[in-house]
Amino acid sequence: QVQVQQWGAGLLKPSETLSLTCAVSGGSSSSYYWTWIRQPPGKGLEWIAEITHSGSTNYNPSLKSRVTMSADTSKNQSSLKLTSVTAADTAVYYCALEFYVWGQGTLVTVSS
Amino acid sequence: DVVMTQSPLSLPVTLGQPAAISCRSSQSLVYSDGDTYLNWFQQRPGQSPRRLIYKVSNRDSGVPDRFSGSGSGTDFTLKISRVEAEDVGIYYCMQGIYRPYTFGQGTKLEI
Repeated sequence: QVQVQQWGAGLLKPSETLSLTCAVSGGSSSSYYWTWIRQPPGKGLEWIAEITHSGSTNYNPSLKSRVTMSADTSKNQSSLKLTSVTAADTAVYYCALEFYVWGQGTLVTVSS
Repeated sequence: DVVMTQSPLSLPVTLGQPAAISCRSSQSLVYSDGDTYLNWFQQRPGQSPRRLIYKVSNRDSGVPDRFSGSGSGTDFTLKISRVEAEDVGIYYCMQGIYRPYTFGQGTKLEI
């Protein structure tokens, strides 16, 4: 059964760069496209970015100037970077394979 | 952005009784390929979201058949035929046509 595991720093200071990575276990990610979603504490879901099967990336315009998403099919991994974070970026960050298989989530807190 | 509006936002239910959640999109979710890209997710307390339904009415693997999705165009419904205790959580609809993909506000189902 395909599963997704994610990891990355959970506590950042304002202006630092968020960096998270996801990896597939129990299968391959080549049949899926990667997507990243976040959820501020006690709030709803916000789509961040995706990498399609063709390798093209699409970003939420609200974050586009600060976000970079990548994928390494040989490693079955995806990464997300978000620069110049503020308290407003505090959220649980999820990666998922086509919204079907989700990672466990990473709480990222931005605080001075 | 496409706005997804769910109702109700809070849904008290009785075990064994049916429940229904409505989702309305600000634009038609019918794609040029003829499919309609509307998903439903369940998020149990403390857990990651889980997709229940894709393309309006298709249940994902392992999803109990008491969950069903219906609708067309801009109006969609998630129904639970008989609510069980494990169904407690927040339910979200999501449109998968227009970027940025957007979610409804969530409906909290409680016993």
